[in-house]
Amino acid sequence: EAQVTQNPRYLITVTGKKLTVTCSQNMNHEYMSWYRQDPGLGLRQIYYSMNVEVTDKGDVPEGYKVSRKEKRNFPLILESPSPNQTSLYFCASSPTAPNTEAFFGQGTRLTVV
Amino acid sequence: RKEVEQDPGPFNVPEGATVAFNCTYSNSASQSFFWYRQDCRKEPKLLMSVYSSGNEDGRFTAQLNRASQYISLLIRDSKLSDSATYLCVVGGNKLVFGAGTILRVKS
Repeated sequence: EAQVTQNPRYLITVTGKKLTVTCSQNMNHEYMSWYRQDPGLGLRQIYYSMNVEVTDKGDVPEGYKVSRKEKRNFPLILESPSPNQTSLYFCASSPTAPNTEAFFGQGTRLTVV
Repeated sequence: RKEVEQDPGPFNVPEGATVAFNCTYSNSASQSFFWYRQDCRKEPKLLMSVYSSGNEDGRFTAQLNRASQYISLLIRDSKLSDSATYLCVVGGNKLVFGAGTILRVKS
């Protein structure tokens, strides 16, 4: 089944404790991105990747890192999480261009206390 | 001004009603247009793409007006299962998401 898989689905952590949210897609898509979704603000892009070893900042990159060492994987790293990073996070992939249909993972609900 | 603006609602409608959502976008160079559906606490899923000529998929009709930078979604004969948040999405060099319009269909 074609899908984007994120883990974990739920995470509660403390301020400053490094964490990684994994994302993997099995559709051989070139373009992958991370979004956060907050009430009233919609989905905002954190980072994106056009292909392996090519990553770039989105609209809200502060406090986040990503890597794209393999085509299928695009982990999101929070080196020192803070409470304002409490949010619902989605990983997405698109076949080629960034303005084509996006397929989303199931989401990760992160709470930083 | 937000790049993509939607009426947040909620729209509370009875089963069988026709409901219309509107969306405006600010980037005149935008190239692709979509409506996504998002159920509570779940991932967004593509409902339909929107073309300049307008397109229909069953009870759903989408329209695009490039001159006015305006997109619409019409849902006919609403079902309880249509209750969700509808996201207007505009693509240029990336996808830009509206904050969504909440629809609640009641029996």
